[in-house]
Amino acid sequence: RKEVEQDPGPFNVPEGATVAFNCTYSNSASQSFFWYRQDCRKEPKLLMSVYSSGNEDGRFTAQLNRASQYISLLIRDSKLSDSATYLCVVRERSNYQLIWGAGTKLIIKP
Amino acid sequence: GAGVSQTPSNKVTEKGKYVELRCDPISGHTALYWYRQSLGQGPEFLIYFQGTGAADDSGLPNDRFFAVRPEGSVSTLKIQRTERGDSAVYLCASSSLVDSYEQYFGPGTRLTVT
Repeated sequence: RKEVEQDPGPFNVPEGATVAFNCTYSNSASQSFFWYRQDCRKEPKLLMSVYSSGNEDGRFTAQLNRASQYISLLIRDSKLSDSATYLCVVRERSNYQLIWGAGTKLIIKP
Repeated sequence: GAGVSQTPSNKVTEKGKYVELRCDPISGHTALYWYRQSLGQGPEFLIYFQGTGAADDSGLPNDRFFAVRPEGSVSTLKIQRTERGDSAVYLCASSSLVDSYEQYFGPGTRLTVT
């Protein structure tokens, strides 16, 4: 079983719609959680951290459920420019290493 | 300011050859990480430097892989006797603190072993 699992997609979504995807992690000792965005043939870039209480950044909302060991990302009013792969990333309590999911591909269509 | 840079951007080499991949981190960043990413996968950790020393090299797949950071800035990832399975994008990232969650990535080196 992979340490961090994501639905690879692709999610094909019309512009303006709301889309959500989840990520599950296997290590209950995981301490920190993040969403990174990666455009085709580009490097990953931090989108947002995920806090226990949930957090929002503009059209993006991230949630953490420690009991069920999953993280979610919600994108409202999706834009064409949101098309990318979204990588779920987890860091263990005692380790600086980032453990990456394989990513969920999102395609926003006009 | 300047971000993380990596050279070359693309490298094609024959099976069995030796390659060096270079990473120039953001100035002042003490932590430097190497990852490799295969198509359809997330980055896979290889090695982490704090300053000049390799704090954790547990991700290096075998002894053909080696990395150095002699002056605590630029790092070189070295691969001996390359194999076709080494083909991937090799990403370098840096961060200002060892426990910083935000790692800034370079554009990567796409290595193809023929």
